Amino acid sequence: GQNIDQPTEMTATEGAIVQINCTYQTSGFNGLFWYQQHAGEAPTFLSYNVLDGLEEKGRFSSFLSRSKGYSYLLLKELQMKDSASYLCAVRASGTYKYIFGTGTRLKVLA
Amino acid sequence: NAGVTQTPKFQVLKTGQSMTLQCAQDMNHEYMSWYRQDPGMGLRLIHYSVGAGITDQGEVPNGYNVSRSTTEDFPLRLLSAAPSQTSVYFCASSYSEAGNTIYFGEGSWLTVV
Repeated sequence: GQNIDQPTEMTATEGAIVQINCTYQTSGFNGLFWYQQHAGEAPTFLSYNVLDGLEEKGRFSSFLSRSKGYSYLLLKELQMKDSASYLCAVRASGTYKYIFGTGTRLKVLA
Repeated sequence: NAGVTQTPKFQVLKTGQSMTLQCAQDMNHEYMSWYRQDPGMGLRLIHYSVGAGITDQGEVPNGYNVSRSTTEDFPLRLLSAAPSQTSVYFCASSYSEAGNTIYFGEGSWLTVV
């Protein structure tokens, strides 16, 4: 079967660093994506990993370990506007389907 | 640059009524899909298409029909609306090659009473 697990909710303080974990089990693997979704809005693309290691994009970084079926999204220098849901999604190999986790709701406190 | 356009944004239906959610993209993407998003359930794939004339079922296809007569358009039809279809619907598109992110429309909030 295919399954993606993320924590439901996290809380962090403005200026801090937070790590959101994602574990996945899919039939084959063809890339992992992270999306940000503010309440009442559509998801927007944050990062993509297909090889093991860290991808850095400004304040956001994403890490992948294919052997462990594990990824994390690292958010540095948290700002209030980072309060949102963060969705982990995997594209299984040999398919056009993108499977999404249920998302992690991040609250950033002043 | 319009991207992915969905209409309507909000709709209230009575049980048993039918309706079509429209989706259009202007990026010449081969892949288009429809998701529904419910609290605690995440995004679930309803139907998808990898090109004009080609459609396939996702995780939760029952009660929905799709067609892809052109590259640009991918409408979602609710045949006989049920309260269980109350949800937020997102249309999404991308290039079909692996590694391409999907782009989402703004969403359609549907309530079935």
